[in-house]
Amino acid sequence: AQKVTQAQTEISVVEKEDVTLDCVYETRDTTYYLFWYKQPPSGELVFLIRRNSFDEQNEISGRYSWNFQKSTSSFNFTITASQVVDSAVYFCALSERNYGGSQGNLIFGKGTKLSVKP
Amino acid sequence: EAGVTQFPSHSVIEKGQTVTLRCDPISGHDNLYWYRRVMGKEIKFLLHFVKESKQDESGMPNNRFLAERTGGTYSTLKVQPAELEDSGVYFCASSQEGVWSPLHFGNGTRLTVT
Repeated sequence: AQKVTQAQTEISVVEKEDVTLDCVYETRDTTYYLFWYKQPPSGELVFLIRRNSFDEQNEISGRYSWNFQKSTSSFNFTITASQVVDSAVYFCALSERNYGGSQGNLIFGKGTKLSVKP
Repeated sequence: EAGVTQFPSHSVIEKGQTVTLRCDPISGHDNLYWYRRVMGKEIKFLLHFVKESKQDESGMPNNRFLAERTGGTYSTLKVQPAELEDSGVYFCASSQEGVWSPLHFGNGTRLTVT
């Protein structure tokens, strides 16, 4: 069965600290996509990154970086030098190609609430 | 470009009443999705429209929920009659054509059934 686990419910850091948000997934498919979304206090879900199952290259975008490891079924997200504006709930999600009937059928983790204190 | 808009942002109704949520996707996005997050749980898929057709409604919890997408533009999600367990945040999302296009989500509608 497909599943996404974000074991960290809440994380609190002080500004400028680095923080890593963990994401572990389960899937029966060999072709799938992984996503991270950010939900700031305003409520909307903001797309951050998409990674397909054939591309294990790590990605860096400014202070954000993602580490995808198929061997451990993990897709972790690191924020370097965190800022107060990074405070939000972060969701990891999985989308399988065929199972579920729809490419948009995202399976979400429960989310990790990140609080960055000044 | 306007994002996905949802109305209302909050709704408080009594058990047994009817509520209709509306979603306006990004212009030109044929794919429209409804998701729901019940308190303390994961965000769960409800259904997917391609234009005006229901592509996948496997996530709809029961027949008290009815989704429509008139003319392939905006969509409504009606809950009738509402139950306590329907409380949560209902998200709408849209995406362009193309494989695995990222979903653009709205701010959600917080529904409270008392």
